[in-house]
Amino acid sequence: DQQVKQNSPSLSVQEGRISILNCDYTNSMFDYFLWYKKYPAEGPTFLISISSIKDKNEDGRFTVFLNKSAKHLSLHIVPSQPGDSAVYFCASAYNFNKFYFGSGTKLNVKP
Amino acid sequence: EPEVTQTPSHQVTQMGQEVILRCVPISNHLYFYWYRQILGQKVEFLVSFYNNEISEKSEIFDDQFSVERPDGSNFTLKIRSTKLEDSAMYFCASSGIDDGYTFGSGTRLTVV
Repeated sequence: DQQVKQNSPSLSVQEGRISILNCDYTNSMFDYFLWYKKYPAEGPTFLISISSIKDKNEDGRFTVFLNKSAKHLSLHIVPSQPGDSAVYFCASAYNFNKFYFGSGTKLNVKP
Repeated sequence: EPEVTQTPSHQVTQMGQEVILRCVPISNHLYFYWYRQILGQKVEFLVSFYNNEISEKSEIFDDQFSVERPDGSNFTLKIRSTKLEDSAMYFCASSGIDDGYTFGSGTRLTVV
């Protein structure tokens, strides 16, 4: 089941620079998208969401972009901070019922 | 900030035994979920629950699994006869109409 893909297993960014995390999905029925971050041995922490009627949503340092024609989702973190270092998952769903998760991207923000 | 609470944080059980994982979702949420993550793998959907019934379940959620909301506050996942491959982190989540998911911190299940 590869309905949601995160092709970069890891990303390393300097503190203060922009982090861009990418996610691709295959199911055109998906209408709700989420980004989570996860620290080891903890549950996923919700970051930001976007519905398919929008193409951008901002919350502080986090912005999610949705390109429906390309079935592509990205998360921008500006400026990146060392505390942002974690594994980031994107997830997609339709009818708000069953989320499909990507395999995650491990972000390392270097001081 | 409201939290989803899961107990226990770690459960060790012998193969073939029954386990019950407990979750207290956020009180005004209407949708409830169980996910699991086997070590080193992606988070996998198990089941969603709404209006006191299962709304969707994955192929992982076979007859060995069941969910209940026995008293209007707890949401439990029961595994009737555990197998070694059931060892994983199990996450409960809840959501409202307009809220994103809130996940619990997980129960680490180890089947020996």
